[in-house]
Amino acid sequence: EPEVTQTPSHQVTQMGQEVILRCVPISNHLYFYWYRQILGQKVEFLVSFYNNEISEKSEIFDDQFSVERPDGSNFTLKIRSTKLEDSAMYFCASSGKTGRQETQYFGPGTRLLVL
Amino acid sequence: AQTVTQSQPEMSVQEAETVTLSCTYDTSENNYYLFWYKQPPSRQMILVIRQEAYKQQNATENRFSVNFQKAAKSFSLKISDSQLGDTAMYFCAFMNYGGSQGNLIFGKGTKLSVKP
Repeated sequence: EPEVTQTPSHQVTQMGQEVILRCVPISNHLYFYWYRQILGQKVEFLVSFYNNEISEKSEIFDDQFSVERPDGSNFTLKIRSTKLEDSAMYFCASSGKTGRQETQYFGPGTRLLVL
Repeated sequence: AQTVTQSQPEMSVQEAETVTLSCTYDTSENNYYLFWYKQPPSRQMILVIRQEAYKQQNATENRFSVNFQKAAKSFSLKISDSQLGDTAMYFCAFMNYGGSQGNLIFGKGTKLSVKP
């Protein structure tokens, strides 16, 4: 069964450094998402992406964040200058072979720790 | 803005018994989707079950079923014949049908422990 994959599974970085989190959505899905989960808290929406552009973003997704689909398979989240409060689990999800109202399938997550 | 509330931070159940997890939500929309996701200790988010608001029939998936009460804005999950592998965080989630591109709004989760 196809699944969403994410790399790396864990990343440790110094405050102020740039990080890129990578995701490979399910093949032929059209909609891509990033969510984050700070330890012990609920999952929060960051951004959705469709047709090579951002569809919607939350207030969390400020100028230090960016997303990109550099090729036909990868979907990346870049944090330009990491802060301590960016430490969280980051989940990628994809959906929508035919429309966005389909179930979102999540990857296993990347645990980011900012020191 | 839509909100999702899970009022039970933690629950436990004996193996083979039945447990019900509660979820309420607030929306002014008429068309939407509701989901239950499971997050085991491995932290991966796994879809358990999905319900379309326009469907009156409650969704079922093997041992998992929901009680969807649209007027009351309630969406509870019933797990029958609980198994040790059901131990996980369970998140209720809402997705609007129209307007935005389908971001999920999650509740804070219920930690379920299945005891042998």
